[in-house]
Amino acid sequence: DARVTQTPRDKVTEMGQEVTMRCQPILGHNTVFWYRQTMMQGLELLAYFRNRAPLDDSGMPKDRFSAEMPDATLATLKIQPSEPRDSAVYFCASGRRFGELFFGEGSRLTVL
Amino acid sequence: DQQVKQNSPSLSVQEGRISILNCDYTNSMFDYFLWYKKYPAEGPTFLISISSIKDKNEDGRFTVFLNKSAKHLSLHIVPSQPGDSAVYFCAATAVSSNTGKLIFGQGTTLQVKP
Repeated sequence: DARVTQTPRDKVTEMGQEVTMRCQPILGHNTVFWYRQTMMQGLELLAYFRNRAPLDDSGMPKDRFSAEMPDATLATLKIQPSEPRDSAVYFCASGRRFGELFFGEGSRLTVL
Repeated sequence: DQQVKQNSPSLSVQEGRISILNCDYTNSMFDYFLWYKKYPAEGPTFLISISSIKDKNEDGRFTVFLNKSAKHLSLHIVPSQPGDSAVYFCAATAVSSNTGKLIFGQGTTLQVKP
């Protein structure tokens, strides 16, 4: 049963610390997305990749967020330094170029 | 700039009745629309979709209606069941952009009371 895997599931950290979230997309999917769930914005698109190449990261605060896809089985989202306003659930999703997306279970981040 | 809007944060209905969830969009380039359902502590899962060449798509108890002129779509659940209680997200994409990028709304929390 293919699924998107995200780690960690929960992360509590202090302001100023670096946070790295990881995602293993479904094998064969060529697009990978990072979304953030907030009460006000719903599911907010942060960045996405096609065939490992970044296509759009305009949704990310550039000064502190970075997203990479070092290989086809791993996507990372890094926050450095983290701030309390970054507290949210971060979702990774993968799919084919057009069609439905498959989401991971999310990484809940709490920045104190 | 919220291109996809779900103006009702929550909805409560009685079991067996109809649930109607609404969604509005502003970008006229959007031509494919999807609904996702999300349970607590889980990721969203695909529910149903509709292409702009149609105005209705049905799958069991779930029907999505699209009104292109009003830039409005709705999800009907009939009959509603307690297991339908979840957050529902509307999403839109422009197939012509060839990116697969989905823009989501804020979500509507549906509670179905037994």
